[in-house]
Amino acid sequence: QLQLQESGPGLVKPSETLSLTCAVSGDSINDAGSYWVWIRQPPGKGLELIGSIYFLGGTHYNPSLKSRVTISVDASKNQFSLKMSSVTAADTAVYYCARHNGAFISSGFFDYWGQGTLVTVSS
Amino acid sequence: QSVLTQPPSASGTPGQSVTISCSGSSSNIGSNAVNWYQQLPGTAPKLLIYSNNQRPSGVPERFSGSKSGTSASLAISGLQSEDEADYYCAAWDDNLNAWVFGGGTKLPVL
Repeated sequence: QLQLQESGPGLVKPSETLSLTCAVSGDSINDAGSYWVWIRQPPGKGLELIGSIYFLGGTHYNPSLKSRVTISVDASKNQFSLKMSSVTAADTAVYYCARHNGAFISSGFFDYWGQGTLVTVSS
Repeated sequence: QSVLTQPPSASGTPGQSVTISCSGSSSNIGSNAVNWYQQLPGTAPKLLIYSNNQRPSGVPERFSGSKSGTSASLAISGLQSEDEADYYCAAWDDNLNAWVFGGGTKLPVL
């Protein structure tokens, strides 16, 4: 059974960089049929896809966040990571990592999710 | 403001049926498949319906999905108290070049 677990600081200061890691267990991150994604949910609000990465390293970012986001993969540790720069209070959210199951990022679905981690942006 | 439009709330009593709508446009629902996610209180979303009307293994048959034109629907029959959750629709948007979600529909089971 595939499992994903987010980790990282729960508090980040405004203008600094948010860094999170998602550890994948139960399967290899090198699964050719999978993309690995980050999704966030501000308190009391809906879901927003941040971006995705393919095991070969190809990335796709939400255009609205693209200038501030970097997603990378470390296959040797079976994990992938998110960095978001210049954060503000508007970036306060529960951050989920998930697997996208589909041949292309534009098709398929998100079938496995981490439990989520709350990141608060505050001084 | 979400790209896909859902009613903010729906309601039903145990045993009843309820339908949740999801309205989009030609660039998302009109040209791509719709997925539905269920988010129980305090938990991560869970895939409920994929490719408009397919149920993953383990999802009860009383959950069903449909799509027509630029709108999609999630139907729940025989409502149970454990169905009390937030429900989100999602689709790829060809213009935005991104996955977009509905704003979510809160479903209390009264």
